[in-house]
Amino acid sequence: EPEVTQTPSHQVTQMGQEVILRCVPISNHLYFYWYRQILGQKVEFLVSFYNNEISEKSEIFDDQFSVERPDGSNFTLKIRSTKLEDSAMYFCASSFGSGLNQPQHFGDGTRLSIL
Amino acid sequence: KNQVEQSPQSLIILEGKNCTLQCNYTVSPFSNLRWYKQDTGRGPVSLTIMTFSENTKSNGRYTATLDADTKQSSLHITASQLSDSASYICVVSGGTGFQKLVFGTGTRLLVSP
Repeated sequence: EPEVTQTPSHQVTQMGQEVILRCVPISNHLYFYWYRQILGQKVEFLVSFYNNEISEKSEIFDDQFSVERPDGSNFTLKIRSTKLEDSAMYFCASSFGSGLNQPQHFGDGTRLSIL
Repeated sequence: KNQVEQSPQSLIILEGKNCTLQCNYTVSPFSNLRWYKQDTGRGPVSLTIMTFSENTKSNGRYTATLDADTKQSSLHITASQLSDSASYICVVSGGTGFQKLVFGTGTRLLVSP
């Protein structure tokens, strides 16, 4: 069964550095998402992306964050100047459509640790 | 404020027994409600998706119910197996257009031999 793959599985970065988290969504999916889960807390929506543009974003997704689909397969999340509070598990997800019954398929996440 | 509350926070049951997990939500407007299973260290996996007009949906040993009037849902697991040990997360999609999912904090289930 096709899967969403995320790399790296664990990223350790110094505070203030830029970090790029990478995702390869399922190949025929059209809608892409990023979520984060701070340790011990609930999953939180960050952003949704369709047709090469952001369709929705949460309050968390401020100017430090950006997303890009640089080619036909990758979907990236960039954090420009990381802060300690950015430490979390970041999940990428994709779906074929945005309809009511379209399941989102999640990757296994990238654990981001900011030192 | 859009919120999803789950109970219990954690649960231990013996292998082979049934259990029911609860979810209450205040998300408005309501689009759909999903139950996800999240194994430790893995991403969430979709179990069921229910829209406003559906009040029950099954996926193998998992049966979800939805009462849109009282804004409550439950997930019933039948004949539990050790592999059912995981966090079960209730997720409500609100609003129109693209999906914006509001996650509950999850119920951590441990199935004991």
